[in-house]
Parts: sequence; structure tokens; C-alpha cells
Amino acid sequence: NAGVTQTPKFRILKIGQSMTLQCAQDMNHNYMYWYRQDPGMGLKLIYYSVGAGITDKGEVPNGYNVSRSTTEDFPLRLELAAPSQTSVYFCASSFPSYNEQFFGPGTRLTVL
Amino acid sequence: GQSLEQPSEVTAVEGAIVQINCTYQTSGFYGLSWYQQHDGGAPTFLSYNGLDGLEETGRFSSFLSRSDSYGYLLLQELQMKDSASYFCAYRGGSYIPTFGRGTSLIVHP
Repeated sequence: NAGVTQTPKFRILKIGQSMTLQCAQDMNHNYMYWYRQDPGMGLKLIYYSVGAGITDKGEVPNGYNVSRSTTEDFPLRLELAAPSQTSVYFCASSFPSYNEQFFGPGTRLTVL
Repeated sequence: GQSLEQPSEVTAVEGAIVQINCTYQTSGFYGLSWYQQHDGGAPTFLSYNGLDGLEETGRFSSFLSRSDSYGYLLLQELQMKDSASYFCAYRGGSYIPTFGRGTSLIVHP
């Protein structure tokens, strides 16, 4: 089992550029989540999904979009990158019992 | 509203015992989880309390008191490798999990 994988590991974007952060899990988890973590802060939920075809907004969804066409994949799209989106992005997954989340290694994004 | 409070930093010496507290405020509550995160790494799950009382997993224990909206993580026989950030997190009345801002634990030799 690879667990939760994320690509890329690092990325530098210019203001206004777009990109997709990839996330995949091979544990057959129904629930998947995207978080952002700013320096010295906790995790803020961007979007989550309870199954293929079902997504919903978290605490900080503005500037992001997601899709969930398969159980395994949950990509996060940034359409018009802004410096405020400079952060570390973590993808996570869990079973519906939801008490334990499994996190990917993160993507470190800088917007200049 | 919904919130979690935990100390920003705790220091201790190797071999000691340290307690990291977490208080929460939420309209609905299903349980409290604890995660560990080393610098530059991803959070990893440590423990979960769905009911009041103590849960023990090796050197780590976690406690919950629903009536006090309070929990703590207890780390015994501290090792240098325990230096990390520790986050409490709860699930309230929805699917949306809420994380605290984290406690940085510094273990000195």
C-alpha cells in the first residue's frame, strides 16, 4: 500500500497562474479531504468529499475547486493563484468512522 | 462558535512526563483525536477518545472529559524524537473536522 500520495512535492507559481494538486489513495477510503497549513498554524479544511461524485466546502474554499470522479483520486485546482495561497497543502483520507485520518506528504506551494 | 484551545509551546527534559491540554467549544461533539507532526512532515494519528476516560497506547495516553469540554495528551518517558507539534482535533455535528493550532513540544537532553 502506498497510502496517500501527493504530487508535486514543491511548486512555485506566478500570480494568476493555475495548477492542479494531485492526490490519490489506495486504501479504498470513502472520505477525502484537502487542508492547508500556514507556518505555525493548524490545519484548515478547504474541501472534502464523502464519496465519488460528492464534494463540499470546508472552512476556506475560496480560490479553490475540487472534483471526485473516482474513489481513489481527489485533485485540488487553483485557478488564479494569489500570494495568500502560499502554504503547505495536505490531502488526507479516512473511512466513514472518521476518527483516524491518513495524510499525504504534502505539497509546498509558493506564489510569487 | 466552534474552537479549540491548546498551549502554543511546552518544554520538558528527556525521560520526563508532559501533558498537553486541549479545551474545545462546539455545538456538537463526537470525539477528540490527537495527531503528531514533525517539522516538514505530515500529521500522523496518535489516538482518539470517543468516550470519557483514558486511552493508553504505549508511552502515549489521551484523556477526555465531555462534561468539562477538555482533553489532554500525556507523553511518558520522553525521548528526543518526541520533539514535534501535537494537534488536537474534533468532529462536531457535521463531517467537517476542526484542528487546534498545535502545541510545539521541545524535549531537552
